Amino acid sequence: DAGVTQSPTHLIKTRGQQVTLRCSPKSGHDTVSWYQQALGQGPQFIFQYYEEEERQRGNFPDRFSGHQFPNYSSELNVNALLLGDSALYLCASSFGTAVQYFGPGTRLTVT
Amino acid sequence: TQLLEQSPQFLSIQEGENLTVYCNSSSVFSSLQWYRQEPGEGPVLLVTVVTGGEVKKLKRLTFQFGDARKDSSLHITAAQPGDTGLYLCAGANGNKLVFGAGTILRVKS
Repeated sequence: DAGVTQSPTHLIKTRGQQVTLRCSPKSGHDTVSWYQQALGQGPQFIFQYYEEEERQRGNFPDRFSGHQFPNYSSELNVNALLLGDSALYLCASSFGTAVQYFGPGTRLTVT
Repeated sequence: TQLLEQSPQFLSIQEGENLTVYCNSSSVFSSLQWYRQEPGEGPVLLVTVVTGGEVKKLKRLTFQFGDARKDSSLHITAAQPGDTGLYLCAGANGNKLVFGAGTILRVKS
């Protein structure tokens, strides 16, 4: 049984560019949450998707947007990248509001 | 804003020693999870505690949830080099998890 998968593993972008990160949830899970983890800090909640809708959002600007597909997979899009967006982006899946299981993350570096 | 404070921030100990990591908040959480994270990887779930006063044991790890569901502790007995990593506590607030900053544990052989 595959766990949560994320792609790509690493990504380098330039300030002002746009990026799309992808996540496939664990089998049987219908909810996907995205977190940003800056170096030396704990993950910060970005938003959660359920039934293809954004269910809850953390304190992140509108430059951060997402999408959930009918197969429950999800994308995180970040526009107009800033140096401060450099971080490990984590996807977590769950069945409803049950315990969340995390993927390996995508390391984004903005130069 | 709900905050979780973890202490200590960093812990370096010798193999075989015992240690305790603390996670404190002024807010009540419906449940609390402990995760372990290695560099460049995602957090791996260790345990979920739900009931105030609950104690769970996972081999050499003992987790406790405070009676008021505002704080938790992780105790490791006879630490081993394989226990090295970042330990994160996370409180469940509806649909999201609120994380502490983590405790970096280094166990030297």
